[in-house]
Amino acid sequence: EIVLTQSPATLSLSPGERATLSCRASQSVSNYLVWYQQKPGQPPRLLIYDASNRATGIPATFSGSGSGTDFTLTISSLEPEDFAVYYCQHRSSWPLTFGQGTRLEIK
Amino acid sequence: EVQLLESGGGLVQPGGSLRLSCAASGFTFSTYAMTWVRQAPGKGLEWVSAIDHSGGSTYYADSVKGRFTISRDNSKKTLYVQMNSLRAEDTAVYHCAKVGRPYGDFFYMDVWGKGTTVTVSS
Repeated sequence: EIVLTQSPATLSLSPGERATLSCRASQSVSNYLVWYQQKPGQPPRLLIYDASNRATGIPATFSGSGSGTDFTLTISSLEPEDFAVYYCQHRSSWPLTFGQGTRLEIK
Repeated sequence: EVQLLESGGGLVQPGGSLRLSCAASGFTFSTYAMTWVRQAPGKGLEWVSAIDHSGGSTYYADSVKGRFTISRDNSKKTLYVQMNSLRAEDTAVYHCAKVGRPYGDFFYMDVWGKGTTVTVSS
């Protein structure tokens, strides 16, 4: 099983700042890495698939990068609605696994 | 509009069974693989099971293998998971989710249902 480790666990930033979230895989997942955003009481929302492809309707302030074992989700300028929990997930092999999440909170 | 609506959750005793359903609309259900993902109270996301577009291939997390069975009825546009031998640690909100592209193994989930709550307790 591939273990995904997200860091930091919590990130405290202000609107307008840049957010950098990390996801590290225990073995290579090639570029098969996905990012989701989840707000309280809502299901997850797909942001980025295959490391760097923005999903439909996702603003250009969100970008993903990386390959192999190290991946980054960057939010270039935080809007108030971006404060949420972010999860990474791989689709490289079975079983699919998620990271434990990064909570992005308002400073 | 693409929609997924889960049902069938509830309170069940340890060792009991439950069948969840997920009704799909707004897309060609028979061409997309589907998944179940759960979230225990206050915890992160856990992938549970997946099934390909035809129902011919199924996949399970180790934590549910041998106890849960995923299936689908493409004529009814409905996804199911039969959950047997339920344990307290199966308590969670269960979401069904559609994968991003038809056919193939594009297991990133682009549409999620709001979920149905399963509580396993005596």
